[in-house]
Amino acid sequence: DTEVTQTPKHLVMGMTNKKSLKCEQHMGHRAMYWYKQKAKKPPELMFVYSYEKLSINESVPSRFSPECPNSSLLNLHLHALQPEDSALYLCASSPTLGGWETQYFGPGTRLLVL
Amino acid sequence: DAKTTQPNSMESNEEEPVHLPCNHSTISGTDYIHWYRQLPSQGPEYVIHGLTSNVNNRMASLAIAEDRKSSTLILHRATLRDAAVYYCILSFQGAQKLVFGQGTRLTINP
Repeated sequence: DTEVTQTPKHLVMGMTNKKSLKCEQHMGHRAMYWYKQKAKKPPELMFVYSYEKLSINESVPSRFSPECPNSSLLNLHLHALQPEDSALYLCASSPTLGGWETQYFGPGTRLLVL
Repeated sequence: DAKTTQPNSMESNEEEPVHLPCNHSTISGTDYIHWYRQLPSQGPEYVIHGLTSNVNNRMASLAIAEDRKSSTLILHRATLRDAAVYYCILSFQGAQKLVFGQGTRLTINP
């Protein structure tokens, strides 16, 4: 099983809502990532987890709150988002951290903030 | 992070080989060269990676210049399904992340 799954596929939320994005992998990978991708732009890294601990936060606003409850699961909690946060949110995993590692990406959650 | 330069777009015909170039003149000795692609409405997909020697897999070949300042991704026989944005990324040995550049948008003509 070389699949990273993400739910939901699409999400529409108001600026006062609280919602969560979920990412799951069963490849035994110990590194997991959140990326944000705006239309026609490359993915931008948001967070990196290694062995369930936050390793990198790329100065992401606090309205985005990541959580890694176990080695297979990664959540992104959303609160008080702005319309400019509308984007495709991609999750990825790799066996460990390291420049030689391959990252496996999920299909993404397309988020629209109204 | 060392920078890569790729053409914004390229076009090729179905069933012909495609050579996608990437310049990385500031590459260091421990930088791995990764290629990912992103098909429309999908997440990025790993294609191939290498360090110094040329690499082949079922999807593509990676040709690395002797001085490592450039590389070429080779799709041996393009299909319509190969139409995607192709990203060339450098990642040093201790890196904890991939930094995506703008990539090359590849169009395949039937």
